[in-house]
Order: sequence, then C-alpha cells, then structure tokens
Amino acid sequence: DTEVTQTPKHLVMGMTNKKSLKCEQHMGHRAMYWYKQKAKKPPELMFVYSYEKLSINESVPSRFSPECPNSSLLNLHLHALQPEDSALYLCASSRQGETNEQYFGPGTRLTVT
Amino acid sequence: AQSVAQPEDQVNVAEGNPLTVKCTYSVSGNPYLFWYVQYPNRGLQFLLKYITGDNLVKGSYGFEAEFNKSQTSFHLKKPSALVSDSALYFCAVRDPTGFQKLVFGTGTRLLVSP
Repeated sequence: DTEVTQTPKHLVMGMTNKKSLKCEQHMGHRAMYWYKQKAKKPPELMFVYSYEKLSINESVPSRFSPECPNSSLLNLHLHALQPEDSALYLCASSRQGETNEQYFGPGTRLTVT
Repeated sequence: AQSVAQPEDQVNVAEGNPLTVKCTYSVSGNPYLFWYVQYPNRGLQFLLKYITGDNLVKGSYGFEAEFNKSQTSFHLKKPSALVSDSALYFCAVRDPTGFQKLVFGTGTRLLVSP
C-alpha cells in the first residue's frame, strides 16, 4: 500500500471558522509533511514531523497548527485564516533518510471566504 | 543554497515522439535528485530519483532521466510520448541542510498532442 489519504477533498471556510485537515498513511513511514501549493506553482514546505515530533516549521503563521497524534496520522488545524491562504494543501510521507522519496496525498482544496 | 531550475514553462510534443523535460541543479555536496508528476487537481506522484551509480535512471510509466555531473543536469526523458503524459512535471533536489526538505523547481507543463 503506497497510498496517502487526505480528508476532506474540498473545504470552504470563513475567516472566523476553525477546521482541520487530516492525513493518513499506513506505509510505516516515520516522516510526514505538510505542503501548501498555489495554482501553477511548486509545493511550499510548511511542516515536517519526524517520529511524531515537529522537526521543521518553515516560519508558518500560527493560524496553522500541525499535530501528529500517532505515526500514521497527521492533522493541520486551521483558525482565523485569510483569503490568501486559499490553496491546495498536500500531505506527504517518507521513510527516514535523505535519499528516500516522498509519497503525496491527493490534497485538500481549501477556499477561505 | 540548493536549487533546481526548469528553464521551460511548457513543452509541446506530438504523441509517439520522444520527449525531454529539462532540469539543472545547483547543490553543494552530493546531489540527490527527484522527478515528480502532477495531474490536474491531484497530488504529486514520484517518478524516479538519482542518488548514486548509473547516470541513466529508469522510473515509472516508461520515464527515464539522465544525470550529467559536468553539465549539472538531470533531464527527464521518454522515448515515445503518450497523450496521457500531459501533466505538470517537477524536478526537485534534497536540501542537505535539512535532510527531509525538498527544493522544487518551478515546474514544466508537458502537453502531448494526438
């Protein structure tokens, strides 16, 4: 099983809402990632979790709050977002080690109104 | 800083013809290079990678890439393009300062016409 799943597929939220994005993998990967991707642009790294601990935060605003409850799950909690946060949010996972490729989920299309 | 460049925003090729999507890199240390493909409204799919060894790397869906150290290039190739290969292609390099970080190129849109 080389699948990373993400829910929901689409999300529309107001600027005062609180919502969460979910990501799950069952490949035994101990590194998990959140990316943000704008249309026709490359993915931008937001967070990296390694062995369920946050190892990289790319200076992401605090209105984005990641959580890794266990080795298979990764959440991204959203609060008080801005319209410019509308994007495709991608989750990925990989084995540890710099030579290993990342496996991406299909993404959540987020629209902030 | 590590970087990759994809000089072409778009590549057009007729079905059945060979295709090449270009990528050049700038890294300190060993270059760990990756190609990913993204279909509309989907996540990225891993195609292939170069870590060490043979300069010609074979990957998924009939794609291959040639690592050229002297030209600092890692071009993606396929001998015979399919219409279904039309997608957005990203070259990426591992950032050695943060071993779990990938630095992506700007992407190249491949359009294969029937």
